[in-house]
Amino acid sequence: NAGVTQTPKFQVLKTGQSMTLQCAQDMNHEYMSWYRQDPGMGLRLIHYSVGAGITDQGEVPNGYNVSRSTTEDFPLRLLSAAPSQTSVYFCASSNAGTGVINYGYTFGSGTRLTVV
Amino acid sequence: AQKVTQAQTEISVVEKEDVTLDCVYETRDTTYYLFWYKQPPSGELVFLIRRNSFDEQNEISGRYSWNFQKSTSSFNFTITASQVVDSAVYFCALSLTGGAQKLVFGQGTRLTINP
Repeated sequence: NAGVTQTPKFQVLKTGQSMTLQCAQDMNHEYMSWYRQDPGMGLRLIHYSVGAGITDQGEVPNGYNVSRSTTEDFPLRLLSAAPSQTSVYFCASSNAGTGVINYGYTFGSGTRLTVV
Repeated sequence: AQKVTQAQTEISVVEKEDVTLDCVYETRDTTYYLFWYKQPPSGELVFLIRRNSFDEQNEISGRYSWNFQKSTSSFNFTITASQVVDSAVYFCALSLTGGAQKLVFGQGTRLTINP
């Protein structure tokens, strides 16, 4: 099992460029999420999905798009990068958790994005 | 709305000391889940514990223990006989669902264990 795989690990973008951060999990988890981590602010939820074809916005969705065409993949798209999107991005996956004894919570290793 | 506050931004102790990390949460819901995560210098996030709102029993796992008190809306984390390897940023988080898809994180506490 690879767990949650995020690519790339590092990326530098110019303002206005677009790109996709990839996230894949091989644990057959239903739930997947994207968070961003900024200094002194903990992690904040960008978008999340409770299953293939179902996505919803989190706390800071502006400037980002997601889709979930398969259970395994949950890419995050930056439409037009801005310096304010400089951050570390984490993808996470979990099963339902409620009432499940062997629940799993796994975060990817993160993508460090710099927008110049 | 939910909120998690970790008032201790940084803590520094000498190895073998006991240390408690504070976590205070806010929610109007009666069903919720509380989490602790560890983020070592390498940057990954490591899941430590999940506790639901109906289970106020304290939990102990080796040198780690957690004290959940609904009366004070707190979910504190204690490391006994700290070690240098415990140096990390620790995050407390809250979710209204059992999964990790909608976590609300605190700001984190940077713990440094000095040899």
